[in-house]
Amino acid sequence: GAGVSQSPSNKVTEKGKDVELRCDPISGHTALYWYRQSLGQGLEFLIYFQGNSAPDKSGLPSDRFSAERTGGSVSTLTIQRTQQEDSAVYLCASSAEGTTDTQYFGPGTRLTVL
Amino acid sequence: AQSVTQLDSHVSVSEGTPVLLRCNYSSSYSPSLFWYVQHPNKGLQLLLKYTSAATLVKGINGFEAEFKKSETSFHLTKPSAHMSDAAEYFCVVSDHLSGNTGKLIFGQGTTLQVKP
Repeated sequence: GAGVSQSPSNKVTEKGKDVELRCDPISGHTALYWYRQSLGQGLEFLIYFQGNSAPDKSGLPSDRFSAERTGGSVSTLTIQRTQQEDSAVYLCASSAEGTTDTQYFGPGTRLTVL
Repeated sequence: AQSVTQLDSHVSVSEGTPVLLRCNYSSSYSPSLFWYVQHPNKGLQLLLKYTSAATLVKGINGFEAEFKKSETSFHLTKPSAHMSDAAEYFCVVSDHLSGNTGKLIFGQGTTLQVKP
């Protein structure tokens, strides 16, 4: 079946612009996660959704970052007023109810802020 | 706090020889531990996971890992490396301290190079 998909695969933006990154989880998966992979910080957790609510936002690095999930499916990660340090690969993962330990990752969105 | 430390940032082996990628963990609880692999320009793929059942865990592509509580280790091994095994490998722990969110904490990664 279809895996986790993310769009766009690559995004180049100018400093100060807003960007939206999209994640389509595996159909039926209730849990959704955003992670960030950067050269300096490695792979780090950003936010976790269970259904449409986000009980853990502890990894969002600043208030410029926000995310939402609608209909228990698609999620959008928004970065406002992008900075060069936001350049990274943003990864989305999903897992089925009761199996949050087994996460399936999408291919990621590579964000470059000029 | 829970964490994982990958002891080698880069490992180089010859094709057909054994692979050993080392990982130590720190956890106050009985941890859930994983190994993920990331091939160039590809997404993360789960190799195997340990969740307090058998201490020797078998994964895909001939990889296995052994949970050793006395050594707080979860090293990844494979008897014979293939060229296709060249990739970045991540040792991962599930953060149970933040509730049952399943949040994953990643090690810094080990790049495996396989020489012909």
